[in-house]
Amino acid sequence: EVVMTQSPGTLSLSPGERATLSCRASRYISSDLAWYQQRLGQPPRLLIYGASTRATGLPDRFSGSASGTEFTLTISSLQSEDSAVYFCQQYHYWWTFGQGTKVEV
Amino acid sequence: EVQLVESGGGLVQPGGSLRLSCAASGFTFSSYNMNWVRQAPGKSLEWLSYISTDSNTIFYADSVKGRFTISRDNAKNSLYLQMNSLRDEDTAVYYCARYGAGGTQRPFDSWGQGSLVTVSS
Repeated sequence: EVVMTQSPGTLSLSPGERATLSCRASRYISSDLAWYQQRLGQPPRLLIYGASTRATGLPDRFSGSASGTEFTLTISSLQSEDSAVYFCQQYHYWWTFGQGTKVEV
Repeated sequence: EVQLVESGGGLVQPGGSLRLSCAASGFTFSSYNMNWVRQAPGKSLEWLSYISTDSNTIFYADSVKGRFTISRDNAKNSLYLQMNSLRDEDTAVYYCARYGAGGTQRPFDSWGQGSLVTVSS
């Protein structure tokens, strides 16, 4: 099983600040990495796939990058509606998720 | 607009059974592979099962293999999950999720609102 490890557990920032979320895979997964946003009481929503491709309609303040088995989701200028839990998912070997990073704005 | 609507959840005793349904609309259901994913209270997401468009390819997570059965009815635009021998640790919100189009390795691009299953005596 590919273990996905996210950090930090919680990120508390002010509106307009930059958020950097990390996700590390336990083995090589190419760029088969997605990021999801889950607001309270809502289902997950696909944000980023292929490590860096934004889903349709996603604001460009969200961006994804990769370096080996390390992946990063950056929210360049936080807005209140970005408060949510963010999960990474690898879909290279079956499908596994990280434990999530809670972003509080 | 893509819509996935789960139903069939509820309270069940350990050892019991439930059948979840997922009604799809807004897209050509028969052209998409589908999945079930669950989320225990306060926890992360766990992939459970995958079914191909023609039902010929099916996968299960080890945690549910032999107890859960995925199926679909393309004529009814519906996905199902038969859950038997339920355990306390199966308590979770169960989501149906559409497998993205355009390749063999894809993320889940649309999710239902979820159906809560509570296993308790």
